[in-house]
Amino acid sequence: GQQVMQIPQYQHVQEGEDFTTYCNSSTTLSNIQWYKQRPGGHPVFLIQLVKSGEVKKQKRLTFQFGEAKKNSSLHITATQTTDVGTYFCGRYSSASKIIFGSGTRLSIRP
Amino acid sequence: NAGVTQTPKFQVLKTGQSMTLQCAQDMNHNSMYWYRQDPGMGLRLIYYSASEGTTDKGEVPNGYNVSRLNKREFSLRLESAAPSQTSVYFCASTLGGGSGETQYFGPGTRLLVL
Repeated sequence: GQQVMQIPQYQHVQEGEDFTTYCNSSTTLSNIQWYKQRPGGHPVFLIQLVKSGEVKKQKRLTFQFGEAKKNSSLHITATQTTDVGTYFCGRYSSASKIIFGSGTRLSIRP
Repeated sequence: NAGVTQTPKFQVLKTGQSMTLQCAQDMNHNSMYWYRQDPGMGLRLIYYSASEGTTDKGEVPNGYNVSRLNKREFSLRLESAAPSQTSVYFCASTLGGGSGETQYFGPGTRLLVL
């Protein structure tokens, strides 16, 4: 009920190709957060989406929150080797607890 | 500011041994968390402390205990380690513990239980 499903689990792309990861929930989300974890590193906050239909951009990264607030996506345009890592979405299940998706691991062929 | 720090960085234990993972934050945050990360499983919450003096179970608390020593420090104890507890452990903190707050993670502790 409170889980967030994240797909795909892995994505291997040629450098310069686009990449998208999706986060889906069966229940309405009050907000959704995205984090990036570099190989061997720790998760680092990227962005939070709150409003229905919200779209935010960070350089080549585009984050969307669905109209029904049940899904979200992260799209990277023209991937670079610096984009390698695992991308997690997370939702707050209560005031203090965040539940993370299982992550999408992105690898890139130079 | 160091942010969130964790010790040790690496640890190898034998089955049945005990150990305590230490976490400290210098951001004056109220809430602190312990996660474990296993391949394909994402980040799973073990325990959290919404404020000093309180602790609550997360998704996977069995086999662990925690202590919120003061506002800065939150430790995780394995009383009798098992191979299933081989994982990477992350500590995190948030300013107020409210919904939608940014989680700040420590560098992690890599634990191998033989």
